Amino acid sequence: TQLLEQSPQFLSIQEGENLTVYCNSSSVFSSLQWYRQEPGEGPVLLVTVVTGGEVKKLKRLTFQFGDARKDSSLHITAAQPGDTGLYLCAGNTYQKVTFGIGTKLQVIP
Amino acid sequence: GAGVSQSPSNKVTEKGKDVELRCDPISGHTALYWYRQSLGQGLEFLIYFQGNSAPDKSGLPSDRFSAERTGGSVSTLTIQRTQQEDSAVYLCASRDSGGGNTGELFFGEGSRLTVL
Repeated sequence: TQLLEQSPQFLSIQEGENLTVYCNSSSVFSSLQWYRQEPGEGPVLLVTVVTGGEVKKLKRLTFQFGDARKDSSLHITAAQPGDTGLYLCAGNTYQKVTFGIGTKLQVIP
Repeated sequence: GAGVSQSPSNKVTEKGKDVELRCDPISGHTALYWYRQSLGQGLEFLIYFQGNSAPDKSGLPSDRFSAERTGGSVSTLTIQRTQQEDSAVYLCASRDSGGGNTGELFFGEGSRLTVL
């Protein structure tokens, strides 16, 4: 059973466009993380959100945690080719960390 | 090195053989996780170790899969009588439990297993 649903699963956009990736669950998480993975490497943490309604900004990336702590979104402004990769959301319950299926983003120059 | 180290990086085996995958976590990290990733897909939770507590094995797909962690450090994931559907990248991650359940997972580069 996939606890975390991510959408879209694939996204191909032109450089300079904006995009939003969604992560949804029926479960409540104590915190939610977003990771980015490049081919041949392990995922690397981008951000952790803890409080319901929390918004965090990391340069051109904006992360939001839903009020009920069941969902999250990642918004990228003016995408760059360097943003290409697999974006994974991960929900924390106690110490267990469950990952979504991922969103494969391709930014075309 | 200071990161999570996994070996082998690549393993090709024949169906029915046993394989062992090794993970060296970051020194001092008490939490260790194993995940499986099929081609281009998300991470499937396999097992989690936390200090001296009993491991959470709820993600192991069958009794052919087992894992141990000796001395609270190195972990070995063993797959017995491998099947073609076991082909995947096996990722190990460790975390400093001092961060509670908000701490960063540090991943190794993974062990790519191919079962012929």
